[in-house]
Amino acid sequence: DVQLVESGGGLAQPGGSLRLSCAASGFTFSDHQMDWVRQAPGKGLEWVGRIRDKAMSYSTDYGASVKGRFTISRDDSKKSLYLQMNSLKTEDTAVYYCASLRPPHDYWGQGTLVTVSS
Amino acid sequence: QAVVTQEPSLTVSPGGTVTLTCDSSTGAVTSGHYPYWFQQKPGQVPRKLIYDTTNKHSWTPARFSGSLLGGKAALTLSGAQPEDEAEYYCFLSYSGVRIFGGGTKLTFL
Repeated sequence: DVQLVESGGGLAQPGGSLRLSCAASGFTFSDHQMDWVRQAPGKGLEWVGRIRDKAMSYSTDYGASVKGRFTISRDDSKKSLYLQMNSLKTEDTAVYYCASLRPPHDYWGQGTLVTVSS
Repeated sequence: QAVVTQEPSLTVSPGGTVTLTCDSSTGAVTSGHYPYWFQQKPGQVPRKLIYDTTNKHSWTPARFSGSLLGGKAALTLSGAQPEDEAEYYCFLSYSGVRIFGGGTKLTFL
């Protein structure tokens, strides 16, 4: 079975940093581009960013609200995806999901909660 | 960056038909935006129903269909069932950057 398991969420202070991880299993992780999507409490979905696979040079794209503050990386040997979040703001408070959305796939983790508060 | 707009809420009767739309602030939505549609029920992770404007996944009920309509992406539900009550999000691509719409809450009369 496909599994995506996020970890690393928790409480962070405004201006601080946090690193999220996503462990993948049950599919050929190295062949997949991977996305991070977040959802603030009671709000809609927001695309955070994406990292492509080795064939596409691990290129990345980011949403406007996180560009320059967040960095997505991956380690195919560990079947893991990462989200380094710097200069955190209170509005970054959300559940963060890792996902593989490129058709024909639709894989989502259960999410990890990040709370940014002083 | 672009803004993607959906109806905040819509209602439908059991067995009825409803169309949800997805508009882009940059102009007409085209197949080049590779529109996706996701369904999210309370307490659950999202699930993709439609990709690349019209394509369904194996798990997508036949009553859902995607299209382009009047310069917007559209999701049509024909023969609505009570289990279709959910939030629906469209998702557009802009030269690599991807943006979700604000979501449409679909409820039953």
